[in-house]
Amino acid sequence: DIQMTQSPSSVSASVGDRVTISCRATQNIRNYLNWYQQKPGKAPNLLIYAASSLQSGVPSRFSGSGSGTDFTLTISSLQPEDFATYYCQQSHSTPYTFGQGTKLQIK
Amino acid sequence: QVQLVQSGAEVKNPGASVKISCEASGYTFTGYFMHWVRQAPGQGPEWMGWINPKNGATNYAQKFQGRVTMTRDTSMSTAYMEFRRLRYDDTAVYYCARRGPPIAAADAYWYFDLWGRGTLVTVSA
Repeated sequence: DIQMTQSPSSVSASVGDRVTISCRATQNIRNYLNWYQQKPGKAPNLLIYAASSLQSGVPSRFSGSGSGTDFTLTISSLQPEDFATYYCQQSHSTPYTFGQGTKLQIK
Repeated sequence: QVQLVQSGAEVKNPGASVKISCEASGYTFTGYFMHWVRQAPGQGPEWMGWINPKNGATNYAQKFQGRVTMTRDTSMSTAYMEFRRLRYDDTAVYYCARRGPPIAAADAYWYFDLWGRGTLVTVSA
C-alpha cells in the first residue's frame, strides 16, 4: 500500500499568513494527488486535484504543486474560514490512501 | 440540487451487520462511480471500495474483503454498503463519495467531488 505522510500534523497561523502543508508518498504517484479541506462535523471538500488543478469554486489563494513523491498545498493569505483540517489523498492505485491530516489552527 | 443523502446513525453490537444507504439526486446516478470512505474518530479518512452504478461492478479494499458488500438500486438512484461482523474499531463515520469526473470522460485524474453528510456507526455492547 502507498502510505501518505503529511507535515506538520498541526500548525498555528494568523489571518493573512502564508501557509504551506507537505505531503509525501512512499512510492512515485506522478501527479495523482488530491487535497481536501474538512471542518468539524462535515465531510471533506475537494480543493485541488491532479496535484495542481484548482477545483471549480475554490478560491485562488489555494494552490498545489509537486510530482512523484513530494507535494505541497499552499494557502497564500489565510482567511478566517480556512481554519480546518487538510488531507492529501493519492488516486494512483488501490487502496486509495489519505494522509493523517494537518490541523490548521488560529494563532 | 446535486447531493448525496445518507441514512441515519446506527448503533450495533459487536458481530452484527449494518447496511447504509446513499441516495443520489441532481445528476445521472449511473454516470459516476460511487465510493465508500470511513473516518474513525480523530483519524484520517480510509477508503473502503467502489461500485460502478451502471453495471454493479465492485472493487473493495483488501482490508475489508469478505466483510463488505456494495450494491445499488438504479431505480432508486441509491447505493448501499453492507458491513458485517462489526468490531469495536469499526466505530466511525461512513461516507459515500462520488468520483468525478463522469465515467464516460475516461479521464486519468479523478477525485471525490461530492460527499454525503456521513453516517455514524457506533459499535458498542
